[in-house]
Amino acid sequence: ETGVTQSPTHLIKTRGQQVTLRCSSQSGHNTVSWYQQALGQGPQFIFQYYREEKNGRGNFPPRFSGLQFPNYSSELNVNALELDDSALYLCASSLEIGYEQFFGPGTRLTVL
Amino acid sequence: DAKTTQPPSMDCAEGRAANLPCNHSTISGNEYVYWYRQIHSQGPQYIIHGLKNNETNEMASLIITEDRKSSTLILPHATLRDTAVYYCIVRVKTSYDKVIFGPGTSLSVIP
Repeated sequence: ETGVTQSPTHLIKTRGQQVTLRCSSQSGHNTVSWYQQALGQGPQFIFQYYREEKNGRGNFPPRFSGLQFPNYSSELNVNALELDDSALYLCASSLEIGYEQFFGPGTRLTVL
Repeated sequence: DAKTTQPPSMDCAEGRAANLPCNHSTISGNEYVYWYRQIHSQGPQYIIHGLKNNETNEMASLIITEDRKSSTLILPHATLRDTAVYYCIVRVKTSYDKVIFGPGTSLSVIP
């Protein structure tokens, strides 16, 4: 059974650019959540997708958007990158809403 | 804001039990207590969760007080690989599944 995978592992962008991060959920899991983790802090909830529909959103601006595909993989898009967007971006999948979440290794984004 | 409070750091001797406390005095009746850990630069790893009763799995034990206002995660025989940040989280299994992480406890297992 393959766990949660994320790509790319590392990414460097400049201010104002756009970025797309990808996540493949664990086999059989229909729910995907995205988190941002700044250095030295706990993960902060961005949003969640359940069966291709957005199921909830944290306190992030609209330039953070996402998508879930029929195979339940997911994308996180960030437009107009700012320096403060530099962080580890984590994806987590769960069998159903409310079940334990299994995290991927994350994508380290650096904005210069 | 996180609904839990944890000590920022703890040390534990290798081979001894590590007892990590968590206060969640405002927990609601339908909220579960979850524990995750995060080893440096990796994604958080699910450890265990519980509602009222104590729980045990191959990784750890979870002791929840009778009033449910606090809990303790027990790693029975800590190893160096258990050095990580441990997060205590309360969440309710509803249709809106927002998991809120606090700063966690940084556990250092010392040889």
